[in-house]
Amino acid sequence: AQSVTQLDSHVSVSEGTPVLLRCNYSSSYSPSLFWYVQHPNKGLQLLLKYTSAATLVKGINGFEAEFKKSETSFHLTKPSAHMSDAAEYFCVVNYGGSQGNLIFGKGTKLSVKP
Amino acid sequence: DAGVIQSPRHEVTEMGQEVTLRCKPISGHNSLFWYRQTMMRGLELLIYFNNNVPIDDSGMPEDRFSAKMPNASFSTLKIQPSEPRDSAVYFCASSFTRTGVDQPQHFGDGTRLSIL
Repeated sequence: AQSVTQLDSHVSVSEGTPVLLRCNYSSSYSPSLFWYVQHPNKGLQLLLKYTSAATLVKGINGFEAEFKKSETSFHLTKPSAHMSDAAEYFCVVNYGGSQGNLIFGKGTKLSVKP
Repeated sequence: DAGVIQSPRHEVTEMGQEVTLRCKPISGHNSLFWYRQTMMRGLELLIYFNNNVPIDDSGMPEDRFSAKMPNASFSTLKIQPSEPRDSAVYFCASSFTRTGVDQPQHFGDGTRLSIL
């Protein structure tokens, strides 16, 4: 079965230090991959998406993610964390066909310490 | 540019009552999705519509749940009768879907539902 795994349920960093949120997906011929962010009491907001154009994808708020087919990974990174980055992050995979086939990871809660 | 609009934002009601959640998708989007989010189960797709037609309702938990989309700009999710285990945050999302085009979904801010 197709799946997506976020390896950490909680990540804590200090403000100004790098952020790494990990995501692995089960192998498929050409998935579309997304990262969404959810702030408290808000809906999910799209950070970035990969749709096979370029392996390094830049998103909003300084986030980027690199698609590595050999590792079946799509980790999210940011060089320097900001307090406003504290939120929950979801890795999402579409294995093709209908948008109803989206598979959501269980989320990684990012805490940013001053 | 208005996003997906959901109402109400919060709903508290007693078990057995009928609950109706509302959603206005982004203008021009032709797909609409209803999700439920809980701590235990995460984000679950309940049902989605394409061009106002229900495509997949396999995620609807049971017959107490029903969803309609009478036109391209409005959808409802109804629970009747409601039970405490229905307490969750319900999200509506919309997107533009076309063969070969994979556009992301845009989410509303959700309805936080508490059934006492």
